[in-house]
Amino acid sequence: GQQLNQSPQSMFIQEGEDVSMNCTSSSIFNTWLWYKQEPGEGPVLLIALYKAGELTSNGRLTAQFGITRKDSFLNISASIPSDVGIYFCAGPSNAGGTSYGKLTFGQGTILTVHP
Amino acid sequence: KAGVTQTPRYLIKTRGQQVTLSCSPISGHRSVSWYQQTPGQGLQFLFEYFSETQRNKGNFPGRFSGRQFSNSRSEMNVSTLELGDSALYLCASSLQGGNTGELFFGEGSRLTVL
Repeated sequence: GQQLNQSPQSMFIQEGEDVSMNCTSSSIFNTWLWYKQEPGEGPVLLIALYKAGELTSNGRLTAQFGITRKDSFLNISASIPSDVGIYFCAGPSNAGGTSYGKLTFGQGTILTVHP
Repeated sequence: KAGVTQTPRYLIKTRGQQVTLSCSPISGHRSVSWYQQTPGQGLQFLFEYFSETQRNKGNFPGRFSGRQFSNSRSEMNVSTLELGDSALYLCASSLQGGNTGELFFGEGSRLTVL
């Protein structure tokens, strides 16, 4: 089945630093999504990308949909302590049909920000 | 606009018991999906419902079942609980549940099986 490989698995950074994480797949995705999950909470949608080459920003977050449609990256600029959490990339699993609520998720990147 | 509401938030069961989890989607959302999250397997899709019909199903045994009511609220049931069923169960809603992938998750129900 479809798999998403997310890297790095974890990051320990100082407040104010920029962060970059990426996600790759062996198969094509028509949509790329980035979610953030904080302890005790469900994932929250940060950015959705629908077009190859698309670059989208949401505040200090910027994400890009790779031209090959097999990768995406997420950048966080000037990190702050509340950026702590697990970041997941995801895409609709629609191999052979409509995904109907089924997303494939990456393994997640655990972000720790030291004040 | 209220978000996705899941109840209960925490529960403890013993092996062999069964459990029912409830999910109320965002008002106006008709698609409800369920996911299991564990440290080892990550987020895995269980099933999706739309207009009281299951449209999609993941690779879980038949002990895992669900249903959706006419008001779009959904329940999932796990029978004959096993230790490995301990997980965070997440419900997500969307308008149509199609290929856009924009799912909105609840806070989850954390199940511990002893």
